[in-house]
Amino acid sequence: EAQVTQNPRYLITVTGKKLTVTCSQNMNHEYMSWYRQDPGLGLRQIYYSMNVEVTDKGDVPEGYKVSRKEKRNFPLILESPSPNQTSLYFCASSIGTSSYEQYFGPGTRLTVT
Amino acid sequence: GQSLEQPSEVTAVEGAIVQINCTYQTSGFYGLSWYQQHDGGAPTFLSYNALDGLEETGRFSSFLSRSDSYGYLLLQELQMKDSASYFCAVRGGGAGSARQLTFGSGTQLTVLP
Repeated sequence: EAQVTQNPRYLITVTGKKLTVTCSQNMNHEYMSWYRQDPGLGLRQIYYSMNVEVTDKGDVPEGYKVSRKEKRNFPLILESPSPNQTSLYFCASSIGTSSYEQYFGPGTRLTVT
Repeated sequence: GQSLEQPSEVTAVEGAIVQINCTYQTSGFYGLSWYQQHDGGAPTFLSYNALDGLEETGRFSSFLSRSDSYGYLLLQELQMKDSASYFCAVRGGGAGSARQLTFGSGTQLTVLP
């Protein structure tokens, strides 16, 4: 089954404790992206990647890091999480380098206390 | 700056037709996408307009007028399962890059029996 998977689905952590949210897709998509979703703000793009070793900042990259060492994986790293990073996070991928039709993972609900 | 405006809530009855509008003001524009998101779920792609005019996909249609920076999603023969949030998203909205998708804050559609 073609899909985007994220782990963990739920995470509660404390301020400053480094964490990684994994994202993997099995569709051989070149384009992958991370979003955060907060009430009333829609989805805001954090980082995106056009292909292996090619990443770029989205609209809200501060406090996040990403890497793309393999085509199928695109982990999101929070080196020192803060409470304002409490949010619902979605990973997405799309075919080629266009971004308009993206396939989303199930989401990761992160709470930072 | 950049902004996408859509109504926060729309209510309609089963079997009716509803139109969700989206106006945008962005640094770049390559096309307008629409996504559906049910409560607790991931966004799913509905349609994309790169050129002016109407695109029809079953009960859903999407329209774009680039000269007016305006688009809409039209849902016909509403069903209870159409109750969800609907997001418009501009390709090219973030810093004008064709590789970025910038989302509106979403419209919550409630379908009443």
